[in-house]
Amino acid sequence: AQSVSQHNHHVILSEAASLELGCNYSYGGTVNLFWYVQYPGQHLQLLLKYFSGDPLVKGIKGFEAEFIKSKFSFNLRKPSVQWSDTAEYFCAVSRPGNTGKLIFGQGTTLQVKP
Amino acid sequence: GAVVSQHPSRVICKSGTSVKIECRSLDFQATTMFWYRQFPKKSLMLMATSNEGSKATYEQGVEKDKFLINHASLTLSTLTVTSAHPEDSSFYICSAPVTGNQETQYFGPGTRLLVL
Repeated sequence: AQSVSQHNHHVILSEAASLELGCNYSYGGTVNLFWYVQYPGQHLQLLLKYFSGDPLVKGIKGFEAEFIKSKFSFNLRKPSVQWSDTAEYFCAVSRPGNTGKLIFGQGTTLQVKP
Repeated sequence: GAVVSQHPSRVICKSGTSVKIECRSLDFQATTMFWYRQFPKKSLMLMATSNEGSKATYEQGVEKDKFLINHASLTLSTLTVTSAHPEDSSFYICSAPVTGNQETQYFGPGTRLLVL
């Protein structure tokens, strides 16, 4: 069965620090990869997604992620975080053409101190 | 972007009663919707796929008689938690892809259910 693992459960950073959140998945075939963000009191929003092509994907709000097929990883990065980035971050995968069903990782709570 | 709403946002009920949660796509049609459950400090777990005009498809381990799903129209899916028990207390979230773009989901704000 597919699974998604996020290594960092709770990350605390100061503003302007760089961010990298790890995500690994276990599935040998082709997958679609996503990062979602959930700000306090709000619904899940898509940060970025990878289906094919350039493995370095740029998303909203300065976030990017790199798909490394050999490592089954899709880590999320941001060079300089802001207090407003405080949120819960979820990595997710789906199989292409599989009606969009998402398998989520456990989530990472990011707390950015001003 | 597309908007998905849920109603109610939170509900408290007594053990043994049934609770209905609505999920609506406000500005687009969704032939398919998904229901997730989120436990505190944990990930979202896919419960079932709601299909307009046909039966829902449940994930392994999810009781279909416990969690009744009805996709009444192209913009509405309902999840009814029947004979609710305290262990059903959770955060229920629906999502819907825009028809023709199944890989991009729009999520509702969630419904907090507390069963006393």
